[in-house]
This record gives sequence, structure tokens and C-alpha cells, in this order.
Amino acid sequence: GQQLNQSPQSMFIQEGEDVSMNCTSSSIFNTWLWYKQDPGEGPVLLIALYKAGELTSNGRLTAQFGITRKDSFLNISASIPSDVGIYFCAGREETSGSRLTFGEGTQLTVNP
Amino acid sequence: DTGVSQNPRHKITKRGQNVTFRCDPISEHNRLYWYRQTLGQGPEFLTYFQNEAQLEKSRLLSDRFSAERPKGSFSTLEIQRTEQGDSAMYLCASSLGTAIYGYTFGSGTRLTVV
Repeated sequence: GQQLNQSPQSMFIQEGEDVSMNCTSSSIFNTWLWYKQDPGEGPVLLIALYKAGELTSNGRLTAQFGITRKDSFLNISASIPSDVGIYFCAGREETSGSRLTFGEGTQLTVNP
Repeated sequence: DTGVSQNPRHKITKRGQNVTFRCDPISEHNRLYWYRQTLGQGPEFLTYFQNEAQLEKSRLLSDRFSAERPKGSFSTLEIQRTEQGDSAMYLCASSLGTAIYGYTFGSGTRLTVV
């Protein structure tokens, strides 16, 4: 099936540092979404992107929908300890209706 | 309405037993989704409903799995004759319409098959 390659798999950073993670797909997506998941909980939507080239911010988070429609990145600026968690990209193909394909996640650890 | 509710939160069962999970979506949401997440992986699509109609099923949903949404409100996911490979987090999500703005997920049911 469709695969999303998400990198890096894990990151260990100091509080205050900026973070960047990205996702690439083998297919064209018409929607890119970024979720955060805390241990024992379901994913929570952070940012949604709908157009190629779109750049959207949500507080310290910024995400972009790649021009090729096959990639997206998420930046977190000035990280804080509560940013710890697993970040997932998810994409929706034109033909997949409401079904989302998720990446494998980026585990973020922030050292105070 | 406090969001998508899933019960139980945790379930430990012996191999070969049947288990059933329940999901209560956000009340005004007409679409309901089931995903499975194994350790270290992202969620994988299983199936989804629009109202009471099951519109799509993944190939991951073997014959031992069945999902229902009888009145277009809550949904149940049953796994018959559980196997150790069924151990995972089962996530339910709901949306209004085509989920163009993403889903709202529940906290999941963690299944352990021993």
C-alpha cells in the first residue's frame, strides 16, 4: 500500500532549539496533516494543509505543503518541554476519500 | 460533548477469545473511522462508516474482524479468535463530512493478547 517516509525517526534536542521534520510520499496528495500523539492517547491535529506551496502556522509550529504535492515539512521553533511526543504526518490522496495514510512518526525529546 | 470516547481503554485477553470495543463519536459527526496502531508505527486504516453504512474496508480487516454502526451513532469493533498479532492500539476517529479538516481521534483501546 501507500507509504509515507517520515524523518527523522527520533530527535533529542535542548529546550529553546528549533526542530524540523519532513515526510515524503510516492503518490500525490491533496491534503497534508500533522498530528501529535502523547503516550497512551490518540493523535491530536496540529496543522492542516490543502494547496501546493501553502505555508501555515499555528503558534510556534509552521508547516508547508510541498510544491510537488509529494512532501511536507513541520518546523517547531523555540522548543519547550511540553513539545515532547510523537509527531505524525498524514496525507490524503484524491482517490482515497476520507482515508488517511500516516507516516511512522518522529519521536521528539526535549531536554530542559 | 467531550470528544470521541472509546471503551475499554485497556483489554487483556487470552489467544482465541473474542473481544469487542466500543466507540462513541462526536455527536454531530456523521463519519466514523477505525484505525490500528502497533508499537513504533503510525495508525493504519481499517474501515469507515458514513452514518450506518460501512463504505470502505482495508485489506488489513481480516474475516475475524467485524465492525458495525447500527444506528449511525456509536460503533463496535469485534475481533474473533484473537491472535497475538492482534495486539495493538485500536483508534476510533470521527469527522463531519469528508474530513477535509482532519479527524478527531479518541484515546484508543490498547489490546494485549496473551
